[in-house]
Amino acid sequence: KNQVEQSPQSLIILEGKNCTLQCNYTVSPFSNLRWYKQDTGRGPVSLTIMTFSENTKSNGRYTATLDADTKQSSLHITASQLSDSASYICVVSSDRGSTLGRLYFGRGTQLTVWP
Amino acid sequence: DSGVTQTPKHLITATGQRVTLRCSPRSGDLSVYWYQQSLDQGLQFLIQYYNGEERAKGNILERFSAQQFPDLHSELNLSSLELGDSALYFCASSLESEPGELFFGEGSRLTVL
Repeated sequence: KNQVEQSPQSLIILEGKNCTLQCNYTVSPFSNLRWYKQDTGRGPVSLTIMTFSENTKSNGRYTATLDADTKQSSLHITASQLSDSASYICVVSSDRGSTLGRLYFGRGTQLTVWP
Repeated sequence: DSGVTQTPKHLITATGQRVTLRCSPRSGDLSVYWYQQSLDQGLQFLIQYYNGEERAKGNILERFSAQQFPDLHSELNLSSLELGDSALYFCASSLESEPGELFFGEGSRLTVL
């Protein structure tokens, strides 16, 4: 069964600290993995996309990693800011050759940054 | 601003009623997706349209229906509403039929009393 599991479910950190969010998936065949940031009551916004051949990709203070062998991804946030408080959603895309080319959503990690 | 427009932003209605949510995709995007997000829940895929045709169907109830019009805007119709239908409904668009990057609207918050 194609699934995306994220951990932790929620996380509280102090402003300026770093944190790492995890995403494990069983989606096959794999096409790509995206991390989205969703502010409360707002629509998700894409942060990064990882394809099969990519191990690391950065977007400012956000760095995503992908281990396609173990089917794990992480999102590392450095020097956290209050504005980083949001839900971070891992979305895995199945290969274009599959019947539907479906997207599989994790339930998200709720990050709260305290001053 | 993602370029995806959803209306209304907020809607309060009673059980048993019917509502219509509207979505205008980004200029040039041919695919529209509808998602439901209940309180503290993840995004649940409802349905996808590509260039006017239904492309994929997820966990959409029979009481719900959708369509995409020739101008590519889409409407999600929710009928015989129940308390449990209260949620944020997101529309997203993408250029192609196969899901690439999705651009989400700001959502329509439906409250059923």
